[in-house]
Amino acid sequence: AQTVTQSQPEMSVQEAETVTLSCTYDTSESDYYLFWYKQPPSRQMILVIRQEAYKQQNATENRFSVNFQKAAKSFSLKISDSQLGDAAMYFCAYRIAQGGSEKLVFGKGTKLTVNP
Amino acid sequence: GAGVSQSPSNKVTEKGKDVELRCDPISGHTALYWYRQSLGQGLEFLIYFQGNSAPDKSGLPSDRFSAERTGGSVSTLTIQRTQQEDSAVYLCASSLSGGAPYEQYFGPGTRLTVT
Repeated sequence: AQTVTQSQPEMSVQEAETVTLSCTYDTSESDYYLFWYKQPPSRQMILVIRQEAYKQQNATENRFSVNFQKAAKSFSLKISDSQLGDAAMYFCAYRIAQGGSEKLVFGKGTKLTVNP
Repeated sequence: GAGVSQSPSNKVTEKGKDVELRCDPISGHTALYWYRQSLGQGLEFLIYFQGNSAPDKSGLPSDRFSAERTGGSVSTLTIQRTQQEDSAVYLCASSLSGGAPYEQYFGPGTRLTVT
């Protein structure tokens, strides 16, 4: 079964600094999709970045980038030039599609605090 | 355009009562999902709807939970005879189907508290 592990329950970073959030997953598939979602106190889950496993190039969205290591089954999120608005829970997710159904499997999340 | 909306935002109910949670997906999205987020936990899949196909109910934790989707749009999650362990945030998401990028768009959730 596919599982997603986020080993850092909490992280903190100084404003303008860089922080990396870790995520590992377990799968036997060769093609799949991975996502990072942000959940601020408002509870609204917001997509930060996605990665398609068949693409070797790491995805980048402005200050957010990933380090995708397919062989190691690792998918870390790097936030550069951290801003106060980046403070939130961050969830790593793996898309499962089988038998006509699909769903996301989430890690337990990392709470990011940004210090001014 | 309008995002996914959910109602109510918060619901407090007494143990043993039934509750209904509503989700309005983004117009044109054929896929709809329900997830549950318990305190300090990640999101747990509950149910998946896709068009007129039979839903995937494999994530529903007990037969007290049911969901329907009318006209391929609005969905209602019903919890009968609520228990304290049902207290959680219930999140709904919708997506386009048929190919990448497979992004799910989430609503703001309903916080359910069972007293």
